Amino acid sequence: KAGVTQTPRYLIKTRGQQVTLSCSPISGHRSVSWYQQTPGQGLQFLFEYFSETQRNKGNFPGRFSGRQFSNSRSEMNVSTLELGDSALYLCASSLASGGFTYNEQFFGPGTRLTVL
Amino acid sequence: GESVGLHLPTLSVQEGDNSIINCAYSNSASDYFIWYKQESGKGPQFIIDIRSNMDKRQGQRVTVLLNKTVKHLSLQIAATQPGDSAVYFCAENTPNDYKLSFGAGTTVTVRA
Repeated sequence: KAGVTQTPRYLIKTRGQQVTLSCSPISGHRSVSWYQQTPGQGLQFLFEYFSETQRNKGNFPGRFSGRQFSNSRSEMNVSTLELGDSALYLCASSLASGGFTYNEQFFGPGTRLTVL
Repeated sequence: GESVGLHLPTLSVQEGDNSIINCAYSNSASDYFIWYKQESGKGPQFIIDIRSNMDKRQGQRVTVLLNKTVKHLSLQIAATQPGDSAVYFCAENTPNDYKLSFGAGTTVTVRA
């Protein structure tokens, strides 16, 4: 069974540009979550989607947005990039239809975004 | 009062010894806790989890202990091996919150 895949793996952008990252969950998983990982802030929750509906959103500015498609694939978009957006963006998928308890989150390898 | 293990950002362990990694969680309403291992260049990998109605759970070479009174979680790794070198994160989830809140992480280095 293929794991969570994220594309692209590496990305270099300049300030002010926008970026779209993609995540394909494990087959059959309908919950997709996104996290930002930086050395200073650690792993921070961005948003979670289930069956194309956003069920939770973290404390990030409106420049960060996401969506989920009917095949459970998800994208996140960051507009007007800032230097501080440089981070590893991780996607996780899960079978969780209700809560997360005992529904393992499987993480992808991440997309490394560098903003110059 | 009860002694609670401190969270350390780094831990150096001799190969073959046991490791103990500590984590203090923030939300008393959290009912599900997970330990993840992250190796360089990879995403976090599930190690073991525990629900709030338990205080101990064992896996292969790993044990998680939960102390809800002081909101403390620990991961014990038996007979630490070089392949255990990684960053370890604890994470918590509250009911119907649809997110994981991660701790700061502990970098474990295994000395040969």
